[in-house]
Amino acid sequence: AQSVAQPEDQVNVAEGNPLTVKCTYSVSGNPYLFWYVQYPNRGLQFLLKYITGDNLVKGSYGFEAEFNKSQTSFHLKKPSALVSDSALYFCAVRNYGQNFVFGPGTRLSVLP
Amino acid sequence: SQTIHQWPATLVQPVGSPLSLECTVEGTSNPNLYWYRQAAGRGLQLLFYSVGIGQISSEVPQNLSASRPQDRQFILSSKKLLLSDSGFYLCAWSVALGGETQYFGPGTRLLVL
Repeated sequence: AQSVAQPEDQVNVAEGNPLTVKCTYSVSGNPYLFWYVQYPNRGLQFLLKYITGDNLVKGSYGFEAEFNKSQTSFHLKKPSALVSDSALYFCAVRNYGQNFVFGPGTRLSVLP
Repeated sequence: SQTIHQWPATLVQPVGSPLSLECTVEGTSNPNLYWYRQAAGRGLQLLFYSVGIGQISSEVPQNLSASRPQDRQFILSSKKLLLSDSGFYLCAWSVALGGETQYFGPGTRLLVL
């Protein structure tokens, strides 16, 4: 069965510091990998995705994610966090032709 | 460009009352459509998905149902709401084939009292 783990329920980081939100997955084959962000009482917004090619993917709002096949990980990163980055972040995986599997979410708090 | 709408934005309903939530997509044809429920601001649970008009797949058996009367319209319904139906309901769409991204609507907050 496919599964996505986000081992940290909450991540706190000071503004201006680098941030990492972790994601590992257990999926057969070569899945597509995604990150979404959700602000309070809003829908999920697409940040970035990995389909194939370069393991480092750049997305919206200065975020990037690194795909590591051997560790089955797809961690989300940003070099310098902003207070406005505080939100709920979801990792998701999808095999071709199948539905998305979402992780449980990680709440990021960026402290001023 | 494509946009996705959901209404109402918020809804308070008594237990046992019916439910109808609507989702429409603009700017694309023959999308895959999805209904998710999010409880307590956390994980997403896929409820239904549709690959075409009148084609509905249910992921979780429950007292909810879905319909797709038109290509870009997806409706979530219930004949009798339960307290446990409270949550944040999200509609999403994606291109029909491939590993394409899902794009989400703004959501409907449902509170069943």
